[in-house]
Amino acid sequence: GESVGLHLPTLSVQEGDNSIINCAYSNSASDYFIWYKQESGKGPQFIIDIRSNMDKRQGQRVTVLLNKTVKHLSLQIAATQPGDSAVYFCAENIRAGGGADGLTFGKGTHLIIQP
Amino acid sequence: NAGVMQNPRHLVRRRGQEARLRCSPMKGHSHVYWYRQLPEEGLKFMVYLQKENIIDESGMPKERFSAEFPKEGPSILRIQQVVRGDSAAYFCASSPPEVSNEKLFFGSGTQLSVL
Repeated sequence: GESVGLHLPTLSVQEGDNSIINCAYSNSASDYFIWYKQESGKGPQFIIDIRSNMDKRQGQRVTVLLNKTVKHLSLQIAATQPGDSAVYFCAENIRAGGGADGLTFGKGTHLIIQP
Repeated sequence: NAGVMQNPRHLVRRRGQEARLRCSPMKGHSHVYWYRQLPEEGLKFMVYLQKENIIDESGMPKERFSAEFPKEGPSILRIQQVVRGDSAAYFCASSPPEVSNEKLFFGSGTQLSVL
């Protein structure tokens, strides 16, 4: 999920394949992580979240994996569909449940689904 | 249950004018957050408010920007004497009182264009 310069990293996958979007977070004290999907011209939409006391969490067609050792978060989307095309953002919160500072967002990955 | 409502959807201002962006949180939500997004970038935290209180404004520019969330009515993000660099998408999010800075629900944003 880290990007260089002004362009978002892009992941292109075939329809029906699985997608894995990666994100490196910066703060080892972060204890809550969340993935959002943003379609063009729309606001971010919640996908899935995970706390730091977990390594894996599954939703409908999505799985989030957390590796605290290397400060890495990934989002797996099974059997991608055209409607999955969007920019995906990870975000972290250092103090969950009432802390200040706000969610800190990564720069996003643009997922493109090819027919 | 209506989601987070933002208006206007698009706002065009000339340099030096004032911009007022409005946000009505989801029903039952008492926490409001404002984020700014530049093209091809992630969301940058600006301010976190509860009713009649600014909790964290660490992401707000020191000059020309202000935010409020009155007891009655929507939250307002106000930008005075706009400059071209203020052109961006401004997103509002809300969360319920028992949880803050976790699963935020976003509106569709206001696209501000400064001529």
